[in-house]
This record gives sequence, C-alpha cells and structure tokens, in this order.
Amino acid sequence: DSGVTQTPKHLITATGQRVTLRCSPRSGDLSVYWYQQSLDQGLQFLIQYYNGEERAKGNILERFSAQQFPDLHSELNLSSLELGDSALYFCASSAGQGNTEAFFGQGTRLTVV
Amino acid sequence: LAKTTQPISMDSYEGQEVNITCSHNNIATNDYITWYQQFPSQGPRFIIQGYKTKVTNEVASLFIPADRKSSTLSLPRVSLSDTAVYYCLVGTQGGNNRKLIWGLGTSLAVNP
Repeated sequence: DSGVTQTPKHLITATGQRVTLRCSPRSGDLSVYWYQQSLDQGLQFLIQYYNGEERAKGNILERFSAQQFPDLHSELNLSSLELGDSALYFCASSAGQGNTEAFFGQGTRLTVV
Repeated sequence: LAKTTQPISMDSYEGQEVNITCSHNNIATNDYITWYQQFPSQGPRFIIQGYKTKVTNEVASLFIPADRKSSTLSLPRVSLSDTAVYYCLVGTQGGNNRKLIWGLGTSLAVNP
C-alpha cells in the first residue's frame, strides 16, 4: 500500500459528460501529480500541484483541470468527455516539489461509452 | 523535444541478471533518471534514481555513462515475481520548466 488513495476505482460515463477524480496523497506529502495511462500512449504526465499551487504542466488538455485543496487532497476534472479519454488515471504524491521519486495510487479506470 | 526509448519486451529466466537500457539522447543538464516498476492493475512503484555513474540499492543498480545519453537498469538474480513492466523516466528535479518524460515501458517476463 503506497498510502495514496484514489476514488473511485472505476467509472463508466457517456461522451460529453463531466467527471471528477479524487486523490488523497500520502500523509505529509505536499506534491500531487496526475497521470493518464492508455495502451497506445503509455504514461503521460498531466499536471503537478505543490502545496495548493500549480507547479508544472504536462500534456493536459484544456478540457481537463485540476486543483489541490488546503487539506492537500486533489481533484482532476475531465469535461466534454470523448471516447479517447478512456484510460487509467493515476495520482502520485511526493514530499517535495522537485522529487522524481513519487508514490502512486491504484488508479481510476475511466471508460467513456 | 526530450524522448526516452526502451525495448518493448524482454525475456529472462529465474536467477539470471537482467539489464534494461533506456535511451535519452536529449537529456538536459538538470535531468535525473528514474526507474519504476509496474504490475498489472497497480500504480508504478519507484525502483531507483540517479544522475551519473552508478547507483545501487537493495533491489537494483543503475548505470549511467559519462555522456548520460542512456542508462541501464540492472536487476540481479531475477525471480518470477520480477515479471512486470519497467519504465524509464527522465525528469527535472526543480526549476520553472519542470518536465517528466516517461518511456513506453519494457515488459519483462521471467520464466522458470
């Protein structure tokens, strides 16, 4: 158990809809990362928050947004969903803002139908 | 644009040493190299990280040549439980233009 909690584990929704994925980092970790993993694209870094502030941005679409709350949990919002958004979404956390050693949650499997 | 390239798959046998090489020709001065292991239906798990030369921990070694354009993860005496996908990550530790570039992963099959 990495200590990172993601909910829900599975999500099935229709195209055009909006969903919110939730992540609770390890106790004491200030950084939260969001990743998308699909079969054809591998692991894609989406965005990082550190202590409530956006720290780095990767290949995140404009239809996607995230935030980190004062209690350090984070949410990833995906809107206007398309079939191609079906993937595993991982959250990871680390103690500092520059670590490349991070602890991953079990992921949320999103299926868009 | 930075890119990491790894073999798609590898086969080995129990007790053998396995070496997985990652190519990262455009690595920048501030970039570190990190390797992760992933089992099906689980999130990646950190294995080892390095900047140059050699790093060793209780599970693996990481060899990085002087030009840093590649790195090799070495798993000593693999067992069946080492069957997993191994990812190479090139990422900056800090700065304002942080990047995290993952390889597509190497699927390692360890046979009895």
